Amino acid sequence: EIVLTQSPGTLSLSPGERATLSCRASQSVNSNYLAWYQQKPGQAPRLLIYGVSSRATGIPDRFSGSGSGTDFTLTISRLEPEDFAVYYCQQYGNSPLFGPGTKVDIK
Amino acid sequence: QVQLVQSGAEVMKPGASVTVSCKASGYTFTAYYMHWVRQAPGQGLEWMGRINPHSGDTNYAQKFQGRVTMTRDMSISTAYMELTRLTSDDTAVYYCARDVGTGWNVFDYWAQGTLVTVSS
Repeated sequence: EIVLTQSPGTLSLSPGERATLSCRASQSVNSNYLAWYQQKPGQAPRLLIYGVSSRATGIPDRFSGSGSGTDFTLTISRLEPEDFAVYYCQQYGNSPLFGPGTKVDIK
Repeated sequence: QVQLVQSGAEVMKPGASVTVSCKASGYTFTAYYMHWVRQAPGQGLEWMGRINPHSGDTNYAQKFQGRVTMTRDMSISTAYMELTRLTSDDTAVYYCARDVGTGWNVFDYWAQGTLVTVSS
């Protein structure tokens, strides 16, 4: 069974800075079935990225995904005030699984 | 526009069962799988299972096998999730989420969530 690990647990940055979030799988993710979600307090998650690097509808291009095999990255090129949230990676093979999340908070 | 609306918060006794509903609108209900994901207070996201609204076929996470039942009523575009033998560990927000298609297991639309509290 795949285990997803996200790092860091918390990332403290200022608006305008670049955020780099890591997601590591304990074994290779099938067909690069890796997605990223954003969740703000009191809200449902929002799909950002699927298939490692494809942005979902309406997602700004400051969000980008990369990686392959077991190591994946979500990059936010310049943080906007609305980007401070928790980010989850998800592998979507036969049994979908989420990582524990990375919180991006304001420094 | 796609919209998913869930039933309201529930407070349940240990050992009881709870059913959460999820009404879909703005798209063809039977064309997209529906999933259920839960989130315990302050914790991460946990996939529970999915239903094919067209056929009624279901797939459940191993952890919930025997305790969860997902159904649908096509006439009112509504999916249901029943969880039995509740314990305090089942206290969580339960979300229904639409699949991007027919079993991709990527979730593009989410409902607002239903808080289920299990307490004696």
